[in-house]
Amino acid sequence: RKEVEQDPGPFNVPEGATVAFNCTYSNSASQSFFWYRQDCRKEPKLLMSVYSSGNEDGRFTAQLNRASQYISLLIRDSKLSDSATYLCVVPVGAYDKVIFGPGTSLSVIP
Amino acid sequence: GAVVSQHPSWVICKSGTSVKIECRSLDFQATTMFWYRQFPKQSLMLMATSNEGSKATYEQGVEKDKFLINHASLTLSTLTVTSAHPEDSSFYICSALLDPTFGTQYFGPGTRLTVL
Repeated sequence: RKEVEQDPGPFNVPEGATVAFNCTYSNSASQSFFWYRQDCRKEPKLLMSVYSSGNEDGRFTAQLNRASQYISLLIRDSKLSDSATYLCVVPVGAYDKVIFGPGTSLSVIP
Repeated sequence: GAVVSQHPSWVICKSGTSVKIECRSLDFQATTMFWYRQFPKQSLMLMATSNEGSKATYEQGVEKDKFLINHASLTLSTLTVTSAHPEDSSFYICSALLDPTFGTQYFGPGTRLTVL
């Protein structure tokens, strides 16, 4: 099993739709998790951190299931500006080094 | 929020030359910075962990003599690609660790290196 796996995508959804991405990880000792978004040819930008069972920020909700070792990201009322690649990030070892998932591409279409 | 800068943002060089990339945390001190490389349509791959005042820790398969890392201060880490070759052409991104407790990293804008 790879250390971090994500839905391969791409996801093409209409504006206003709700879309969910899943991410699974293999290191059961990982405590905190992150979702980053990356626009084409740009650096990743932190979207959400997840330390407990979940986190919500506006239209974005992240949920963590430690028993099944997966994290999900839910985007409600998709906007055109949500089009990007979403990266699941999982710490390995101590709270410093992380592993990036392969990313899930989202395109929100008018 | 935390700001990390990188310089240069892009560079084109001839094969065999060395290229130095700077990564700075502008509004916070970072004892730990990371260097990543990203090839087209792939995710970020960690190259090395840069710790202020000590030697960098390199990931398996990354040549430490080719990718020299110097963490000169709490706000500056540099990556030097020595004797660059076309296969080193990539997007190099640094990040700085804001809070070691939670592991939140903030990324620089990246440096696009093209080796001819």
